[in-house]
Amino acid sequence: GENVEQHPSTLSVQEGDSAVIKCTYSDSASNYFPWYKQELGKRPQLIIDIRSNVGEKKDQRIAVTLNKTAKHFSLHITETQPEDSAVYFCAAIKPPGNTPLVFGKGTRLSVIA
Amino acid sequence: DAGVIQSPRHEVTEMGQEVTLRCKPISGHNSLFWYRQTMMRGLELLIYFNNNVPIDDSGMPEDRFSAKMPNASFSTLKIQPSEPRDSAVYFCASTESSRDTIYFGEGSWLTVV
Repeated sequence: GENVEQHPSTLSVQEGDSAVIKCTYSDSASNYFPWYKQELGKRPQLIIDIRSNVGEKKDQRIAVTLNKTAKHFSLHITETQPEDSAVYFCAAIKPPGNTPLVFGKGTRLSVIA
Repeated sequence: DAGVIQSPRHEVTEMGQEVTLRCKPISGHNSLFWYRQTMMRGLELLIYFNNNVPIDDSGMPEDRFSAKMPNASFSTLKIQPSEPRDSAVYFCASTESSRDTIYFGEGSWLTVV
């Protein structure tokens, strides 16, 4: 089955700096890669996703890149703010769409003001 | 839409007691997932249903765990008897079969003492 590895497990950055979180997946059939943000005591919430037919996607300060050949994808947060502090999870899924997401172990991001 | 609704939000119980967690998926969603989250193991898939039918329960840790989905709008996860190592946050999530994005409930925070 699919296996998703996520690095680093913790990340501290100064406010205004960029943060990058990287994930690798094992199953080349996976075609959908969402990222979830989980604030302390709350549920994971989708922040951005990318499909295998796209190499990069951007939404304001957040971007995701995908390298299908290398089977890795990354989350980039620019101009980090204290409210970006949270745990971020990457995930992968393969068709059909109603199979479960396989999550990475998460990255705890701390943005230091 | 009210989103995925879980109850109870918090439960503290004594070892050996039965615990029942409940979930109401988003209306129209026909796939439902139960995840368990701990610091050590991250987000683990326990079981998922498509159209009320259990598809994969390989993540259920032991026979003490059972899950049902008697209709499209309700599911339960039961632990009997509970043990301290079952302490975790249990998330229910749902999605439409034609889509990939899953939506999480607020979680049920279980503490077994």
